[in-house]
Amino acid sequence: ERVMTQSPATLSVYSGERATLSCRASQNVSTNFAWYQQKRGQAPRLLIYGPSTRATGIPARFSGSGSGTEFTLTISSLQSEDCAVYYCQQYNNWPRTFGQGTKVEVK
Amino acid sequence: QVQLVQSGAEVKKPGASVRVSCKALGYSFASYGITWVRQAPGQGLEWMGCINTYNGDTNYVESLQGRVTMTTDTSTSTAFMELRSLRSDDTAVYYCGRGLGSFDIWGQGTMVTVSS
Repeated sequence: ERVMTQSPATLSVYSGERATLSCRASQNVSTNFAWYQQKRGQAPRLLIYGPSTRATGIPARFSGSGSGTEFTLTISSLQSEDCAVYYCQQYNNWPRTFGQGTKVEVK
Repeated sequence: QVQLVQSGAEVKKPGASVRVSCKALGYSFASYGITWVRQAPGQGLEWMGCINTYNGDTNYVESLQGRVTMTTDTSTSTAFMELRSLRSDDTAVYYCGRGLGSFDIWGQGTMVTVSS
């Protein structure tokens, strides 16, 4: 099983500043990787897959990069509506696995 | 509008079974697989398994093997997830998602509470 490890657990950033989230896979997952956003009380929403392609309707301030075992999600200018928990996920191998999540807060 | 609509909340006793449905609207059901993910209160996302809606092939997480069954009814574009021998640690919100790799559409979630 590919273990996905996210860092940091919590990220506090001023509104308008850049937020950088990381995810590491225990073994190579190539580019079969995605990021999700989950706001309180809501279902997750696909942000990024492939791992740099934005899903439909996702604002351009969200960008993803990486391959193999190291991946990054960047929010270029944090907005208040971006407060959420962000999860990474690999789909290179079975079982599919998620990271434990990074909570993003506005400082 | 493309969406997945799930059945309502359930309360079950330990040892019972639960069946959650997920109805696909606005797209060709057989063109995308369905994945099931659960989230215990205050916890992260756990991939449970998936079903290929075209041929019925399934893939389950090892920890649930023998207790979970995923099926579809193509005539109604509905996927089902049945979990048996329920325990208190099965208490969670259960989500269905469209896709077998990444999941671009999600259902609203179904709360399943297991309590005596």
